[in-house]
Amino acid sequence: DTEVTQTPKHLVMGMTNKKSLKCEQHMGHRAMYWYKQKAKKPPELMFVYSYEKLSINESVPSRFSPECPNSSLLNLHLHALQPEDSALYLCASSHIRGGREQYFGPGTRLTVT
Amino acid sequence: AQSVTQLGSHVSVSEGALVLLRCNYSSSVPPYLFWYVQYPNQGLQLLLKYTSAATLVKGINGFEAEFKKSETSFHLTKPSAHMSDAAEYFCAVSEISNFGNEKLTFGTGTRLTIIP
Repeated sequence: DTEVTQTPKHLVMGMTNKKSLKCEQHMGHRAMYWYKQKAKKPPELMFVYSYEKLSINESVPSRFSPECPNSSLLNLHLHALQPEDSALYLCASSHIRGGREQYFGPGTRLTVT
Repeated sequence: AQSVTQLGSHVSVSEGALVLLRCNYSSSVPPYLFWYVQYPNQGLQLLLKYTSAATLVKGINGFEAEFKKSETSFHLTKPSAHMSDAAEYFCAVSEISNFGNEKLTFGTGTRLTIIP
């Protein structure tokens, strides 16, 4: 099984809402990632978790709050977002050792109104 | 820091023609290189990867790429284009961050259009 699942597929939220994005993998990967992708652009790394611990935060605003409850799950909590945060949010996972490919989920299309 | 450059943001080829998508990398150490494909409104799918085992790498859907150290290139090719190949293609290089984690740096992408 090489699948990464993400829910929801689409999300529309107001600037005062709180919502969460969820990601799950069952490949035994111990590294998990959140990316943000704007239209016609490559994915931009937001966060990296290694062994369920946050290891990279690419200077992401605090209105994005990641969480890794266990080795299979990754959440991204959203609060007080801005319209410019509208994008495709991608989750990925990989083994820890060097040169390992990342497997991506289908993404959550987020619209902030 | 390592980086990749994709020449040509848009490439159009006729159905049945050769597909050539260009990627050049910048790295001070032997790199790990990847090609990903993204279909509209979907995530990224791994096409192939180079990890120094062989310079010619075969991937899924008939794609292959050749690692040329002298040219610092990792171009993606397919002998005969199919309509289903229309998508966005990203070249990426893997690097170790300051914290010891591995991270991908993507090129700007090439949109491939297939002409019937």
